[in-house]
Amino acid sequence: GAGVSQSPRYKVAKRGQDVALRCDPISGHVSLFWYQQALGQGPEFLTYFQNEAQLDKSGLPSDRFFAERPEGSVSTLKIQRTQQEDSAVYLCASSQNRGSSYNEQFFGPGTRLTVL
Amino acid sequence: KQEVTQIPAALSVPEGENLVLNCSFTDSAIYNLQWFRQDPGKGLTSLLLIQSSQREQTSGRLNASLDKSSGRSTLYIAASQPGDSATYLCAVRGSGTYKYIFGTGTRLKVLA
Repeated sequence: GAGVSQSPRYKVAKRGQDVALRCDPISGHVSLFWYQQALGQGPEFLTYFQNEAQLDKSGLPSDRFFAERPEGSVSTLKIQRTQQEDSAVYLCASSQNRGSSYNEQFFGPGTRLTVL
Repeated sequence: KQEVTQIPAALSVPEGENLVLNCSFTDSAIYNLQWFRQDPGKGLTSLLLIQSSQREQTSGRLNASLDKSSGRSTLYIAASQPGDSATYLCAVRGSGTYKYIFGTGTRLKVLA
C-alpha cells in the first residue's frame, strides 16, 4: 500500500483479556518500530525490528508485551492480560533504513486501545 | 539519557502570524531530528527531517533549523493558517541507535 496501515483502529478490551495489534509497513521497508502514546504525551519507543530480527525491545514495559515480525514484513504486537494502564494509542512506523537519505520514519494511524 | 523538551506546550495565534516552535534535547550526539504533525485521533505526519550534519531544512511555509551543539531545533511556520492547527512533535534519533525520543509536543491553534 501507499503508507503504513494498522488494524484494528480501535480496540476495547476487558481487563485481563489478550489483544493483538497488527502493522503493515510500507512495502520494502527494512525497519519497523512500535511506539506507545499515552494521552497528552509524545510517543514512547517500545521495540524495533530490522527485517525479522528484533534488535531492540528495551521499551516494552513488561513481559506481558510481545512483538513479532516473522517474515520481515507484517508485525504483530501482542499484549497479554491487559491492564488499565495499557490504555494508549499504539503507533507503528517503518523506514527504508538504507543510507542517510532513507531513515525517515513513516507512521501509521495507530490503534487506540482502551482497557476497561 | 536523552530528554527532549518542547516549549510552549500550547500556542494560540491569529491567522497570518509567523510563529516559532522550540525543541531542545540534552544529548548532542544525535543522528537526526524529525518534526511531525499530529491531528487529533490521527497518526504522525512527517514534516521535515534534518540530518546531524545539516543546519536547516525547508518545505513550503515550514523551515526547521538545527543547532546540535546547543541542543536546539526550531520549527518556523510562516503565514499561519487555520489548517495548521495540530500538535507538533519533534523527535531525536541518537547516534548509534534507531529509536526516536519524542518531546511532548506543542498544541497549536490558529484562529481564523
